[in-house]
This record gives sequence, structure tokens and C-alpha cells, in this order.
Amino acid sequence: DQQVKQNSPSLSVQEGRISILNCDYTNSMFDYFLWYKKYPAEGPTFLISISSIKDKNEDGRFTVFLNKSAKHLSLHIVPSQPGDSAVYFCAASDRSGTYKYIFGTGTRLKVLA
Amino acid sequence: DTAVSQTPKYLVTQMGNDKSIKCEQNLGHDTMYWYKQDSKKFLKIMFSYNNKELIINETVPNRFSPKSPDKAHLNLHINSLELGDSAVYFCASSQVRADLYFGPGTRLTVT
Repeated sequence: DQQVKQNSPSLSVQEGRISILNCDYTNSMFDYFLWYKKYPAEGPTFLISISSIKDKNEDGRFTVFLNKSAKHLSLHIVPSQPGDSAVYFCAASDRSGTYKYIFGTGTRLKVLA
Repeated sequence: DTAVSQTPKYLVTQMGNDKSIKCEQNLGHDTMYWYKQDSKKFLKIMFSYNNKELIINETVPNRFSPKSPDKAHLNLHINSLELGDSAVYFCASSQVRADLYFGPGTRLTVT
């Protein structure tokens, strides 16, 4: 039972354009969401997070949007750069409960120069 | 300055052997985790320790035994290795209910 889903396994975007990565979740108890970036042969690197009390969080070129009613979050990267090419994972947690973070299956982003 | 480190980075071994993976974090975090990334690239939690106390133990075969000698270290020992144990194992740490920081991973190959 996959509680966090990333339905697009891959995405290609032209350099300078916007990249939009999507994530859906099923557990309404999730109240904290994170995005990670992963290069081959490295561990996932934390990018940005958002609490359920917000609907948007920005950090430089990265913005995460949260739509609680739709149980959907998205990561926007503007402008996209070739160095952004990586696998992106979303993760969710019920911070009032256990310390468990549930990850999506990842989306491979390729930014074309 | 490495925040979360794991050794070894690569581990190739035969079925039936026993092996350990070590993890250390210098972030001062209270909570440490082991995640497994299988061939389908799912990142699944295996264990979590908070201040040396086991708080999450997913449905992992009891051939896997985590050990936390102190809150900066969380080791993973695997007995009687099987082919299906081949995966990348990631250690991670966090403050209480905060963002996870991952190590570089250990690629385990069982032949």
C-alpha cells in the first residue's frame, strides 16, 4: 500500500523553463512533507519542506505547494538548470505520531541544455 | 565535514555470510534511521532509534539487527545473507520530527 505516490517516473525540461514535480498522498494524518534530490551513487539530499499549516514554501529557485484537500503537493523549480538533473523524492510524515517518513518512488528529472 | 557517514560504501559477499554496516552522524541529532532502497528504487524505512532506544521496527526479517552504542552511531548487522538482501542501505538522522539527513549509502551485493 503506497501511501505516497509520484506517478511520473520521469520528466524532461528545457534549461531555463519551469520544472513541476508532483506527489500525491493518501494518509490524511500526514502533516509534514519534504522533497529530496538524489544523484547516482549518493544519498538523498534534503531540498525543502512544508508543514500542513502552510500551502506554500519558497527557497530560492525551489517552491513547494501543498493542497491538503486534494492530498497533493508539487515542487516547482524555476529556472531549471542542467545541474538539477537528478531523481526527486517526496516524503511525508505524521509528526504527531511516529518518527516515520514515507517516501514516494521518485521522479527522474532531466534538464536539457 | 561529513554529516552522516557510512562504511563501507560497497559490500560484495556470498549467501550465508554475516556482515555489518556502520553509520555515524556528527550533527548532534537524537534520531537515526536505516532505510533500504530496493531494485525498484523504493526507499523503505527499516529501523529508527531515538537516543539509543528502538522506536520503529518495520517488518524486517530478524536476521537484521540494528545496534546503537550511542546516539551518534547506528550500526546494522545482517546474519545469513540472502540474495534478496541485495540493495542500497541508507543511514539517516534527524532531530526529533525534523528533516532527515542521509548518508551516502552502502551498496550491498549478495552473490
